[in-house]
Amino acid sequence: AAGVIQSPRHLIKEKRETATLKCYPIPRHDTVYWYQQGPGQDPQFLISFYEKMQSDKGSIPDRFSAQQFSDYHSELNMSSLELGDSALYFCASSQRGSGDTEAFFGQGTRLTVV
Amino acid sequence: SQKIEQNSEALNIQEGKTATLTCNYTNYSPAYLQWYRQDPGRGPVFLLLIRENEKEKRKERLKVTFDTTLKQSLFHITASQPADSATYLCARKAAGNKLTFGGGTRVLVKP
Repeated sequence: AAGVIQSPRHLIKEKRETATLKCYPIPRHDTVYWYQQGPGQDPQFLISFYEKMQSDKGSIPDRFSAQQFSDYHSELNMSSLELGDSALYFCASSQRGSGDTEAFFGQGTRLTVV
Repeated sequence: SQKIEQNSEALNIQEGKTATLTCNYTNYSPAYLQWYRQDPGRGPVFLLLIRENEKEKRKERLKVTFDTTLKQSLFHITASQPADSATYLCARKAAGNKLTFGGGTRVLVKP
């Protein structure tokens, strides 16, 4: 079965550079989430989209932005990168349904800022 | 503020024993809670969901309970195996479809 696909798997950027992470949700899933996970921490919610519209926002820095496109894939754009942005970034998708549906996570993008 | 919390201390357990993890919630009454497993460097994987009107849910060697009086959910791994070693996360879905996690508890099953 198709899973959530993220690209790239690994990314190395220098401080002040820009990074773009991509996420391809499971077909027919209408909700996409983005998470940031630092070492030893649980995933922290950044932002979510429902049917291509932003549905909720978490602790996402102003330097970050995200959008969901007509084909439902999503991109997380990160500008003016800082050393502290180094983390695993996960995308997840789900069917909103009645609200109690599980989320399916991708394998993540490991971002290293040097 | 509304939140869910897990014991951050790692749980070391001998193979064959039952591991019990706790997820406590405060300042709200969740309609349901979800449990995920996460291996190092990989995305969380959904395990079980329990609704507030369900006392218990099972899946193979896993069991989840929901106690609205104590405001907690317990997650049990029976007959634990070294392959069960991972971090286990409880999660709630807040308004707006925002899925947030409870911090996670790392489980290490020793042979």
